[in-house]
Amino acid sequence: AQSVAQPEDQVNVAEGNPLTVKCTYSVSGNPYLFWYVQYPNRGLQFLLKYITGDNLVKGSYGFEAEFNKSQTSFHLKKPSALVSDSALYFCAVSPFDQTGANNLFFGTGTRLTVIP
Amino acid sequence: DTGVSQDPRHKITKRGQNVTFRCDPISEHNRLYWYRQTLGQGPEFLTYFQNEAQLEKSRLLSDRFSAERPKGSFSTLEIQRTEQGDSAMYLCASSPGTGGRGGELFFGEGSRLTVL
Repeated sequence: AQSVAQPEDQVNVAEGNPLTVKCTYSVSGNPYLFWYVQYPNRGLQFLLKYITGDNLVKGSYGFEAEFNKSQTSFHLKKPSALVSDSALYFCAVSPFDQTGANNLFFGTGTRLTVIP
Repeated sequence: DTGVSQDPRHKITKRGQNVTFRCDPISEHNRLYWYRQTLGQGPEFLTYFQNEAQLEKSRLLSDRFSAERPKGSFSTLEIQRTEQGDSAMYLCASSPGTGGRGGELFFGEGSRLTVL
């Protein structure tokens, strides 16, 4: 079985400071990990993914995430937060599927608020 | 706009009524997904189509729920005899046939159902 945990419901950070949104996972086999962002009245948008290779992956809007196999974590990071980064962030895992589908199992989300 | 579109955006209904939601995926995408998102939770997988074939259904999809994708293009999600517990945001997503587990999902803005 697969699961994703986002331990923080809310993260507040001052504009210009680095931000981290935490995610841990549990999945059989090789993990396929994703981050999506949800802005108010907007659909979920893909930020980045880890499939294989370099543990540090870079994505949209200056975000990056670090895959740590020993800690089963995939934390989202950004060196300098913007007010416009304020949104709901979801970590997700794609389990093995015989159909080859890219179904996703999501965490409960972390609301990021960047304070001006 | 060539993204995923959903209709209606918001539906208010009385308990016991039937409702239907429509999803138009990105035109060249042959995979289509339905998710449900309740307040404070991440999206939960409901069902998945590859072209017109419904390949996977979640245990969340009770007998009152039915989804179709008759010509492999748009999809409908019908809920019969609605219950207050069905109140949620219903999300549709699509993806191309390539990319497998590592592929990005493209989400619509969702259809919010309120059952009184």
